[in-house]
Amino acid sequence: AQSVTQLGSHVSVSEGALVLLRCNYSSSVPPYLFWYVQYPNQGLQLLLKYTSAATLVKGINGFEAEFKKSETSFHLTKPSAHMSDAAEYFCAVSDPASGSRLTFGEGTQLTVNP
Amino acid sequence: KAGVTQTPRYLIKTRGQQVTLSCSPISGHRSVSWYQQTPGQGLQFLFEYFSETQRNKGNFPGRFSGRQFSNSRSEMNVSTLELGDSALYLCASSLMWEGTDTQYFGPGTRLTVL
Repeated sequence: AQSVTQLGSHVSVSEGALVLLRCNYSSSVPPYLFWYVQYPNQGLQLLLKYTSAATLVKGINGFEAEFKKSETSFHLTKPSAHMSDAAEYFCAVSDPASGSRLTFGEGTQLTVNP
Repeated sequence: KAGVTQTPRYLIKTRGQQVTLSCSPISGHRSVSWYQQTPGQGLQFLFEYFSETQRNKGNFPGRFSGRQFSNSRSEMNVSTLELGDSALYLCASSLMWEGTDTQYFGPGTRLTVL
């Protein structure tokens, strides 16, 4: 079975500061990993995904994530936070043998302070 | 291209009733997945359909069911509603039934059970 753990249900940063959202996965097979963002009263929007190509993945809105197999991690970063980045972020994993099914982490609520 | 659409956006039902939610995937997408989102349990996978066949099912009671039509549109049904079924129900579509496929989410249907 696969699982994802997001460290920190709430993260608060100042505008212009580094954003670091942590995600660790557990998988018995090479996983596919995703980061999604959810704004209030909306669905989920894909930020980026790792599917066994380059370990450093660049996504939309200046976000990127690095797949580290030795640490079983896929942390999301952004060099400089904007007020518009305030939202909930979800890390997810899929098993290549189970179609598109996603297993999500608990989510991290990002607050950006002016 | 139009995104994933879900109808209705909001629903209020009482315990014991049943409800049907609808999802129209992005044009050309053949896979549709359903997720339940609650504050306590987070995002949980319900089921996935591809080419009118259920390919994956999550750990939910039989009161939750779904189907997919030949035009890839999908419906999910919840019978004998319980208070705990109050949630945001998200539908996602992807091109095929593969773990690398990006799932595109709709805005969700917010179900309130009184």
